[in-house]
Amino acid sequence: QVQLQESGPGLVKPSQTLSLTCTVSGGSMSSGSYYWSWVRQPAGKGLEWIGRIYTTGSTNYNPSLKNRVTMSVDTSKNQFSLRLSSVTATDTAVYYCARFAYGGYADYWGQGTLVTVSS
Amino acid sequence: DIQMTQSPSALSASVGDRVTITCRASESISTWLAWYQQKPGKAPNLLIYNASTLQSGAPSRFSGSGSGTEFTLTITNLQPNDFATYYCQQYKSYPWTFGQGTKVEIK
Repeated sequence: QVQLQESGPGLVKPSQTLSLTCTVSGGSMSSGSYYWSWVRQPAGKGLEWIGRIYTTGSTNYNPSLKNRVTMSVDTSKNQFSLRLSSVTATDTAVYYCARFAYGGYADYWGQGTLVTVSS
Repeated sequence: DIQMTQSPSALSASVGDRVTITCRASESISTWLAWYQQKPGKAPNLLIYNASTLQSGAPSRFSGSGSGTEFTLTITNLQPNDFATYYCQQYKSYPWTFGQGTKVEIK
């Protein structure tokens, strides 16, 4: 059974960089054709896809985040990461990591981690 | 970006009811559509993919249909565990986008 777990600071100051890591267990990230993604959800609001990375390092990001996003993968540690720069209060949200099956639907999710942007 | 619009935004229903949620895409997405259920404080859970394929482990009372720009999620014989928020998501093209959600509440 694949499991994903987000980790990282729960509080980030405005203008700084949000950094999160997702650790995958129960299987190798390199097995099968999957995209590894980040999705976020502000309190009381809907879901926003942030971007995805393949194990080759190939990425696609949501243009709405205007070049502030960088994702990376470390298959030796079975982890992938998110960096979001120049954060503001509008980046406050629960951040989920997820496995998207080849095609683009998420069949496994982490439990989510709340990141608050505040001074 | 492809815009996904769900209707209604919320509905009240009783246990045993049949519930239908609609999702419309701003352009054709063929059948590249998924449905998720989300309960408060929890991650979304995949119910349906490719518009009509039931995810392994999802109850058979959930079904999906549609193609092109109009899709439906139907829950037959609504159960207490089904009161939640439901989201559609397109994966025809980047950026992948979600509908705004439909909250199913107890009448």
